[in-house]
Amino acid sequence: GAVVSQHPSRVICKSGTSVKIECRSLDFQATTMFWYRQFPKKSLMLMATSNEGSKATYEQGVEKDKFLINHASLTLSTLTVTSAHPEDSSFYICSALPIAGPAYEQYFGPGTRLTVT
Amino acid sequence: AQTVTQSQPEMSVQEAETVTLSCTYDTSESDYYLFWYKQPPSRQMILVIRQEAYKQQNATENRFSVNFQKAAKSFSLKISDSQLGDAAMYFCAYNRFGNEKLTFGTGTRLTIIP
Repeated sequence: GAVVSQHPSRVICKSGTSVKIECRSLDFQATTMFWYRQFPKKSLMLMATSNEGSKATYEQGVEKDKFLINHASLTLSTLTVTSAHPEDSSFYICSALPIAGPAYEQYFGPGTRLTVT
Repeated sequence: AQTVTQSQPEMSVQEAETVTLSCTYDTSESDYYLFWYKQPPSRQMILVIRQEAYKQQNATENRFSVNFQKAAKSFSLKISDSQLGDAAMYFCAYNRFGNEKLTFGTGTRLTIIP
C-alpha cells in the first residue's frame, strides 16, 4: 500500500523558536497534501490544504503566518511552526492524495508530536 | 457546513463478541463518501471501510460492516468477532463528492476485553 512518512516523529523545542515538520509520500506522487492537528483524546482538525506549486489553503481560524506550509515537490510538503509557544504543542498529522487515484483515497502519515517548552 | 457526530466517547466489548459504533452526520449534499478510520495507539490512521452515498448496499470488509441509512443520515460500524487488535480510536469521517477534504467525528475509543 501507499506509504506516507513524517519527520521527525517527536520534537521538543523552546518557546519562540521555529520547527519544521516534513511529510513525504514514499511510493507515489501527490499534488495535494493535508495537514491536521490533533489535541489529546480529540479528533483531527484540518489546518490547511497543501498544493504542489501553489499557495496552501488554510482553514478558518488557522494563522497563515504562524503555520507556514510549503509543497515544493510532488512527494514533499513541509509545515513550519514559527515562533512556537506552549499552546502549539500538539500532534500534527499529514495525509497525501495520490495523483493517480480517486479523490477520496488519502493516505496518512504516522504523525509528529510537538512539545513546546 | 457538514458535521459528523459520534455520541459514544467510549465503548468496550468482550473478545469474539460483536460491537456497533454509531455515527450521524449532517449534510445538504446528495453525493458524498463516508468512512471509518481506525487510530491505534501508534496513532497511524488506517482506513477501515468506505461507503459511497449513491450505493444502497452496505459496505463490508471482512469482519467490518456498516449500516448506512441515508435518509436518517446514520452510518454505524459493526465489528464482528472482535479481536484484541481492534482496540483503537475509531473515527467516522465525511467527504463531499468532488472535494477531498475530510470532516472527522469526535471519535469512539474501543476497548477489547480479553
